[in-house]
Amino acid sequence: AQTVTQSQPEMSVQEAETVTLSCTYDTSESDYYLFWYKQPPSRQMILVIRQEAYKQQNATENRFSVNFQKAAKSFSLKISDSQLGDAAMYFCAYFRDDKIIFGKGTRLHILP
Amino acid sequence: ETGVTQTPRHLVMGMTNKKSLKCEQHLGHNAMYWYKQSAKKPLELMFVYNFKEQTENNSVPSRFSPECPNSSHLFLHLHTLQPEDSALYLCASSKWDSGEKLFFGSGTQLSVL
Repeated sequence: AQTVTQSQPEMSVQEAETVTLSCTYDTSESDYYLFWYKQPPSRQMILVIRQEAYKQQNATENRFSVNFQKAAKSFSLKISDSQLGDAAMYFCAYFRDDKIIFGKGTRLHILP
Repeated sequence: ETGVTQTPRHLVMGMTNKKSLKCEQHLGHNAMYWYKQSAKKPLELMFVYNFKEQTENNSVPSRFSPECPNSSHLFLHLHTLQPEDSALYLCASSKWDSGEKLFFGSGTQLSVL
């Protein structure tokens, strides 16, 4: 069965600095999708970034980028120029066969 | 606003009560999901519906009963719940098997007394 592991329960970063959140996953499949979702205190799950496993190029969305290492089954999220509004729970997720499996999440604190 | 609406936002119920959670989307999606989010645990997939047909029941106790009358509406009927069922229940929708993102509702915070 697929699993998603986020080894950092909590992280803190100074405003305007860069932070990297880690995610590893386990699968025997070669074709799948990976996501990072953000859940602020409002509880709304918001998609941050999406990566297709068959694409070698790392996805980027403005200040958010990923380091996708398929062989290592690693999918880390880098947030550049951190802002106070980035404070939230971040969930890494794996999608295949109509199911999304989530990691336990990393709570990100932004220090002013 | 994601286009997925869940009601109620909060629910407190006793163990003998019967209540229902409602989820509605008008995004043209054909897949709908129920997730349970408990403290310090990953989001747990409960049920998946594809074109109104249930395709996944992730070993969920029978005190949780889903209903999907059409591709826009999803219900979760609750009866004789336990205190450990207290959690945030999230509904989501997507285009079936497309790898496109899930759109989530804001959830129902359930407390079972």
